[in-house]
Amino acid sequence: AQSVSQHNHHVILSEAASLELGCNYSYGGTVNLFWYVQYPGQHLQLLLKYFSGDPLVKGIKGFEAEFIKSKFSFNLRKPSVQWSDTAEYFCAVIILTGGGNKLTFGTGTQLKVEL
Amino acid sequence: NAGVTQTPKFQVLKTGQSMTLQCAQDMNHEYMSWYRQDPGMGLRLIHYSVGAGITDQGEVPNGYNVSRSTTEDFPLRLLSAAPSQTSVYFCASSYGGLSSPLHFGNGTRLTVT
Repeated sequence: AQSVSQHNHHVILSEAASLELGCNYSYGGTVNLFWYVQYPGQHLQLLLKYFSGDPLVKGIKGFEAEFIKSKFSFNLRKPSVQWSDTAEYFCAVIILTGGGNKLTFGTGTQLKVEL
Repeated sequence: NAGVTQTPKFQVLKTGQSMTLQCAQDMNHEYMSWYRQDPGMGLRLIHYSVGAGITDQGEVPNGYNVSRSTTEDFPLRLLSAAPSQTSVYFCASSYGGLSSPLHFGNGTRLTVT
């Protein structure tokens, strides 16, 4: 079965620090990749997505992610975090061949940005 | 547009009770799904539907039923609530199946005592 791993469960950063959240998946075929964010008390929102083409994708609020097929990874980055980035971040993967219509989420990373 | 609307926002049930969580979307999305969110476990798919009259099981379907009689509505039924079903439930929809981004509702926080 496909799986999505987010190794950092809790991350604490100071404002202006750089952020990188890891995401790895366990499938060798064609995938679609997503990062969703859940701000405190709110529902999940899409940050960015990768379907094909340039492996470096840019999303909202200055976030970007790089798809490295050889490493089965889709890490999320931001050069300089803000207090308002405090949220939970979820990586998600869809298998496009033989996997059916199912989207698998990682377990999430809680990011806390301190002033 | 209202987007994805879930009701109720909060619910407390006693073990063995049944109830229905409502989900409605006004975006004419074909794909709808239910997830539960538990601490340290992320979101897990309960059931999904690719169109009216079509439903399928997700990762954790036991104890839940769904139906999809219209494009707009996708209710989730708890047949006999158990404490293990205490969770936050999210309904989500998308236009073009899973290749399109999901639009989430605001969630229903369910406690089973």
